[in-house]
Amino acid sequence: GAVVSQHPSWVICKSGTSVKIECRSLDFQATTMFWYRQFPKQSLMLMATSNEGSKATYEQGVEKDKFLINHASLTLSTLTVTSAHPEDSSFYICSATIVRGKAYGRSNTGELFFGEGSRLTVL
Amino acid sequence: KQEVTQIPAALSVPEGENLVLNCSFTDSAIYNLQWFRQDPGKGLTSLLLIQSSQREQTSGRLNASLDKSSGRSTLYIAASQPGDSATYLCAVLGGDWGNEKLTFGTGTRLTIIP
Repeated sequence: GAVVSQHPSWVICKSGTSVKIECRSLDFQATTMFWYRQFPKQSLMLMATSNEGSKATYEQGVEKDKFLINHASLTLSTLTVTSAHPEDSSFYICSATIVRGKAYGRSNTGELFFGEGSRLTVL
Repeated sequence: KQEVTQIPAALSVPEGENLVLNCSFTDSAIYNLQWFRQDPGKGLTSLLLIQSSQREQTSGRLNASLDKSSGRSTLYIAASQPGDSATYLCAVLGGDWGNEKLTFGTGTRLTIIP
């Protein structure tokens, strides 16, 4: 199956610093990438949807200036948590898919492929 | 706004039993529905994907059905094993073309008792 690589898998940072998480589709070109966060014992919450080459669409309640998303290429999206605070500590997961009919050599099933997640701890 | 609900929230069954997990969604205009499992502290593993035009998919001991008109999907696990213990999530992909959104269910935490 398709592989999505997420890096780093875990990171610890001091309050006030910025942290960047990368999401790469390794063997296909993803037109759309989704970013989620998950608090302990809760389901995933969609933060934003990013389409290659355009600005990300943020869900209600998600601060776009705090969670910067860049999807500059068909294989890479980044999430930057700016001026991180302890309440930003969470498990962040990305997923990638081909949705809008641009198959790029793979069938357009709309199936989502997930990264392994990144655990952020802000001290 | 799409809402996805999974019942039950938690389930414990003895090893070897067959079981059914339920997923319901409020907006039937979906592209597909996907079932995942998540082990504690880990990412998601895709189990089955059902396109909106399909009614079921099977993989090994797993069978997922989709009734789009009624907004329901079930995941059937046959001959459960302790290794099946995990949280199971369903997710539907919907929204306007070019502005697709994935909505996750609340999850069912499954425990298989040896």
